[in-house]
Amino acid sequence: AQSVTQPDIHITVSEGASLELRCNYSYGATPYLFWYVQSPGQGLQLLLKYFSGDTLVQGIKGFEAEFKRSQSSFNLRKPSVHWSDAAEYFCAVGAPNNAGNMLTFGGGTRLMVKP
Amino acid sequence: DGGITQSPKYLFRKEGQNVTLSCEQNLNHDAMYWYRQDPGQGLRLIYYSQIVNDFQKGDIAEGYSVSREKKESFPLTVTSAQKNPTAFYLCASSPGTGIFFLYGYTFGSGTRLTVV
Repeated sequence: AQSVTQPDIHITVSEGASLELRCNYSYGATPYLFWYVQSPGQGLQLLLKYFSGDTLVQGIKGFEAEFKRSQSSFNLRKPSVHWSDAAEYFCAVGAPNNAGNMLTFGGGTRLMVKP
Repeated sequence: DGGITQSPKYLFRKEGQNVTLSCEQNLNHDAMYWYRQDPGQGLRLIYYSQIVNDFQKGDIAEGYSVSREKKESFPLTVTSAQKNPTAFYLCASSPGTGIFFLYGYTFGSGTRLTVV
């Protein structure tokens, strides 16, 4: 079965600084990978996804993520953080041909942005 | 616009009462899911349903029940057997197996349940 680890529970960055949120997965082949964002008291919104092809994927709100097979990672990045990016971020992995259509979520990383 | 509607947004329950959280989707998705979210604990799967009239227990199903009589609807009942029901509950849906991984899950905006 697949698993996902987000090593950082909390991260604080200054507005305008760059951001990288880490995500490591465990799966025997290339999984399907997702990043979601959750604002306080809201549901989760899809930021971006990876299935195959170019390992650098672009998402909404200026985010991007890079799939690195050798490191089993799918880290989320943003060159310049805005105060509105303060939220919780979840990485998720799905297994190809998984008849259960299940995603496994990481524990989340809470991002705080300093003015 | 297509989406998932969860209601109510806030719900208060007295001890010993059952309450039902509503989840409706108009995305024509086959699969639906219920998650519980507590501070610092991420998302924990309660129940899921891949098809109408069928559902499966997730990791923390005790004290909860569901039904899937219609494709659009997947209500969650929090029973009096759930000892610590205060939490944020999220409903999600996804399309069929063949295209699921193109879209992942679509989430509702959640229901916050508080025991008073």
